[in-house]
Amino acid sequence: QQQVKQSPQSLIVQKGGISIINCAYENTAFDYFPWYQQFPGKGPALLIAIRPDVSEKKEGRFTISFNKSAKQFSLHIMDSQPGDSATYFCAASETMTTDSWGKLQFGAGTQVVVTP
Amino acid sequence: DAGVTQSPTHLIKTRGQQVTLRCSPKSGHDTVSWYQQALGQGPQFIFQYYEEEERQRGNFPDRFSGHQFPNYSSELNVNALLLGDSALYLCASSSPPMQAFFGQGTRLTVV
Repeated sequence: QQQVKQSPQSLIVQKGGISIINCAYENTAFDYFPWYQQFPGKGPALLIAIRPDVSEKKEGRFTISFNKSAKQFSLHIMDSQPGDSATYFCAASETMTTDSWGKLQFGAGTQVVVTP
Repeated sequence: DAGVTQSPTHLIKTRGQQVTLRCSPKSGHDTVSWYQQALGQGPQFIFQYYEEEERQRGNFPDRFSGHQFPNYSSELNVNALLLGDSALYLCASSSPPMQAFFGQGTRLTVV
């Protein structure tokens, strides 16, 4: 059973446009929500992360929106560039319990293609 | 800072064989987690090592085992390889408060 559901599976956006990726979770014990970017043949690289005590976090062109009541969070990539073409993964983790600390539950990924 | 390093980068094994993958964590990190990423899917948690002990484990059979050394480096061992074990194996190191850094992975192909 996938604990984090991610959509869409893929998306194509024009240069300068906005890419939006959505994730939903069920486990209310999750308290850390990172997004990772992965290029072919490489390991995932941390982009940005959020905790449930804030509703939005922005770092450069990347913004996470978090809706605790709906158990949903999303990644917005503003002014998308061809170099942003990659696979993006949302993830979730519990950080307050020793037994679960550090175990990331990943979504299935979204392949983003930014056209020139 | 070299980050998380994994070796080898690629290898090919035959069904039934055994394989050992290695990981050196980022400097200052004491926790190592291993993930399996099948083609086109998200990484799946295998297990985590802290203070040289397996602290938690995902839904993987006992054929998957590991070890952590006093210098925090780690090994992943897979016995009796199956075709379905073909995947990218990722090592992630972390330390409180949480931020996990991944290595470039080891691409394992079982033929």
